[in-house]
Amino acid sequence: QSVLTQPPSVSGAPGQRVTISCTGSSSNIGAGYDVHWYQQFTGTAPKLLIYGSNNRPSGVPDRFSGSKSGTSASLAITGLQAEDEADYYCQSYDNSLSGYVFGTGTKVTVL
Amino acid sequence: QVQLVESGGGVVQPGRSLRLSCAASGFTFSDYVIHWVRQAPGKGLEWVAIVSYDGSNKYSADSVRGRFTISRDNSNNTLYLQMNSLRTEDTAVYYCARGRCSSSSCWAPYQHYYMDVWGKGTSVTVSS
Repeated sequence: QSVLTQPPSVSGAPGQRVTISCTGSSSNIGAGYDVHWYQQFTGTAPKLLIYGSNNRPSGVPDRFSGSKSGTSASLAITGLQAEDEADYYCQSYDNSLSGYVFGTGTKVTVL
Repeated sequence: QVQLVESGGGVVQPGRSLRLSCAASGFTFSDYVIHWVRQAPGKGLEWVAIVSYDGSNKYSADSVRGRFTISRDNSNNTLYLQMNSLRTEDTAVYYCARGRCSSSSCWAPYQHYYMDVWGKGTSVTVSS
């Protein structure tokens, strides 16, 4: 079972803004560890989307942004597009487990 | 271009062993820590293990500790995952992923790394 909780699904119309939450605890996000986000299309490998809580790798559209506060983090997608339909995972480190942890994953649906 | 290619997956009986490989190209392999991450069918991502730049430090998840061993051969730009005493719950696609540090604390036990490049994965099925 994951220690980082995400909503199972979020949806929005094209052009809208959606946010995905990633709720942790004092042993991971709350302990100051960065949060990173990955995008995964069905049947393919994950792809890095956001690193260091709010940094985008080269090539990732600026429609994607990340934030972190306390024991939680969020991924925002503005100007939602059909090609954004995918699964999204947050990731951090947990010092009580002494290992990396992923969120439960969120499926984004474009209506 | 920067690439990671996993191999070695297959169908294996419970209790048996399997060794996965991950061949790296397009970057200086020894400059990076490397992760193994797995994904069971229809499930989310699960971190498996990480190995340091020179292979001297290794850390793994509780679920595999004592059964799986991560290692690397920098002379051949290859990462390995030796999986022993396999269980049905080890059935998954196994990905290798290059690690990059997101803070100034970039030393053991390597707590500040994300995965910036992923392989396509290799499938492991544990079944009798």
